Amino acid sequence: GAGVSQSPSNKVTEKGKDVELRCDPISGHTALYWYRQRLGQGLEFLIYFQGNSAPDKSGLPSDRFSAERTGESVSTLTIQRTQQEDSAVYLCALGELNTGELFFGEGSRLTVL
Amino acid sequence: TQLLEQSPQFLSIQEGENLTVYCNSSSVFSSLQWYRQEPGEGPVLLVTVVTGGEVKKLKRLTFQFGDARKDSSLHITAAQPGDTGLYLCAGIAGAGSYQLTFGKGTKLSVIP
Repeated sequence: GAGVSQSPSNKVTEKGKDVELRCDPISGHTALYWYRQRLGQGLEFLIYFQGNSAPDKSGLPSDRFSAERTGESVSTLTIQRTQQEDSAVYLCALGELNTGELFFGEGSRLTVL
Repeated sequence: TQLLEQSPQFLSIQEGENLTVYCNSSSVFSSLQWYRQEPGEGPVLLVTVVTGGEVKKLKRLTFQFGDARKDSSLHITAAQPGDTGLYLCAGIAGAGSYQLTFGKGTKLSVIP
């Protein structure tokens, strides 16, 4: 997706390991979202960052999930003690404040064995 | 909790056929967006509709927002294999809100 680079594109890990997913905005959007997409499912909101405001963490499914972003730069999503149900594509998106339109990265596919 | 129901969930058609997919809710949205997602990629925005009754055309794709702003449809004329993908609708509840509600999508396959 234009404007957003995500890494790794694919990650296979063993149950119980920690993983870190990275979102690198190429363009200067202040609004940044993380979504989770399980196989055959829609997009599940995880967390929202807007400038220096406190992030909206209401979508994080458990305390094993955390995310950080400094200013308008890189964001990282960390999943501790991964479980098989964490297997999904994790999508990062930049948001246009006026329209609410989202510009997605290509996602990080996580497989927990 | 606002929900968006998309139908059908799966659709397989022959090249050249027409189709319509639907996005329905019992809630009112200030705007609604349609995205297309191809395998291994993130969703790409197709259109945003804002006004009740609004119709927007994007080449062979026609998008309509319901008069009551609770539903939307996407009509594709003379489908092409390149139209294959997952079509997602997403609604914003209130103007200025940053929260989008996504439907589960319609997976379209266009067979050459």
